[in-house]
Amino acid sequence: SQQGEEDPQALSIQEGENATMNCSYKTSINNLQWYRQNSGRGLVHLILIRSNEREKHSGRLRVTLDTSKKSSSLLITASRAADTASYFCATAGYSTLTFGKGTMLLVSP
Amino acid sequence: GAVVSQHPSWVICKSGTSVKIECRSLDFQATTMFWYRQFPKQSLMLMATSNEGSKATYEQGVEKDKFLINHASLTLSTLTVTSAHPEDSSFYICSAPDLLAGNTGELFFGEGSRLTVL
Repeated sequence: SQQGEEDPQALSIQEGENATMNCSYKTSINNLQWYRQNSGRGLVHLILIRSNEREKHSGRLRVTLDTSKKSSSLLITASRAADTASYFCATAGYSTLTFGKGTMLLVSP
Repeated sequence: GAVVSQHPSWVICKSGTSVKIECRSLDFQATTMFWYRQFPKQSLMLMATSNEGSKATYEQGVEKDKFLINHASLTLSTLTVTSAHPEDSSFYICSAPDLLAGNTGELFFGEGSRLTVL
């Protein structure tokens, strides 16, 4: 069964606004990763947060992890039209990654 | 980061034919590669784990005789969809970890192959 479940399923914002996506999972993890997928393309790794970390930053991205609530959030600040894509969280257990259903983000100019 | 190349990027075939999709790691050795299938607006579903020099490990519900995987070298894994039917139409994506780069857990993905079976 799938581990991660993203929320919301779809998000529409204006350029310059912040976008927040949430991910909940069910079992223990080694790390949690966020990926981005442009329509019809492969996935691109954005950021990885380990189970003993609570927050991580990378450029305009900020990821939090709450292992007690089994949840993570991805914040994209000062969004741009080029950020339009689907965003997936993926949980890493023993050997494989399990992907959530993703959040489709639309950033309008 | 490491680069994974997938070919072809799209293919259209007739029902009953077989289609081969290649996944290559261009600048690193991939002893393990993962094959995923993605339906429109859906998540990625792991189909199988491809292991160099040994048999692939298939996920529950995935027919190994239908989806043949060969990982004959450290840089190439192939997925062959045999006797394809319209329900096999999907987006197939491969990925690989760069274990020699410190096994960060990050996966590097190919660009995907869109299969349409008529």
